[in-house]
Amino acid sequence: DSGVTQTPKHLITATGQRVTLRCSPRSGDLSVYWYQQSLDQGLQFLIQYYNGEERAKGNILERFSAQQFPDLHSELNLSSLELGDSALYFCASSVGTSGEELFFGEGSRLTVL
Amino acid sequence: DQQVKQNSPSLSVQEGRISILNCDYTNSMFDYFLWYKKYPAEGPTFLISISSIKDKNEDGRFTVFLNKSAKHLSLHIVPSQPGDSAVYFCAASIMEYGNKLVFGAGTILRVKS
Repeated sequence: DSGVTQTPKHLITATGQRVTLRCSPRSGDLSVYWYQQSLDQGLQFLIQYYNGEERAKGNILERFSAQQFPDLHSELNLSSLELGDSALYFCASSVGTSGEELFFGEGSRLTVL
Repeated sequence: DQQVKQNSPSLSVQEGRISILNCDYTNSMFDYFLWYKKYPAEGPTFLISISSIKDKNEDGRFTVFLNKSAKHLSLHIVPSQPGDSAVYFCAASIMEYGNKLVFGAGTILRVKS
């Protein structure tokens, strides 16, 4: 158990819909990261927040947005969903922002039909 | 543009023998490298890391070697155990830019008993 909690674990929805994925970081961690893993591919970095502020951005689509709340939990919002958005979405957390390991949650599997 | 490459999708090794997983990178600015292990239905878990100021880091049965001139790193597992069967991801980052990890596609390791 990494201490990072993600909900929901599984989600099935239709194209054009909007979903929200939730992540609670490990106790004491200030950084939250979102990664996307499509079939048979590595994890693609989407975005990082540190103590409520956006810290780094990766290949995140404009249809996707995220935020980190004062209690440090984070939400990833995916809108106008397309079939290609079907993937595993991982949240990770760390204490700081550099040179340390990330602790990953179990992921949220999104299926878009 | 795949900056971190794991060219072997899978590897099969006999229990007790050495497992060698390889990883190549193209971005010479990467200065921090990590290996993660992932079991099915779980998130990636940190295994071992190495800074670019070192060429070797050891932790029990796991050793990571870094060859900066060749932009290559490898993970050695000795002796391999059936419980090591998992997907292994190589990841790299530029510490100045934070924990934005760039992952390879992963190598499936099967340790046969």
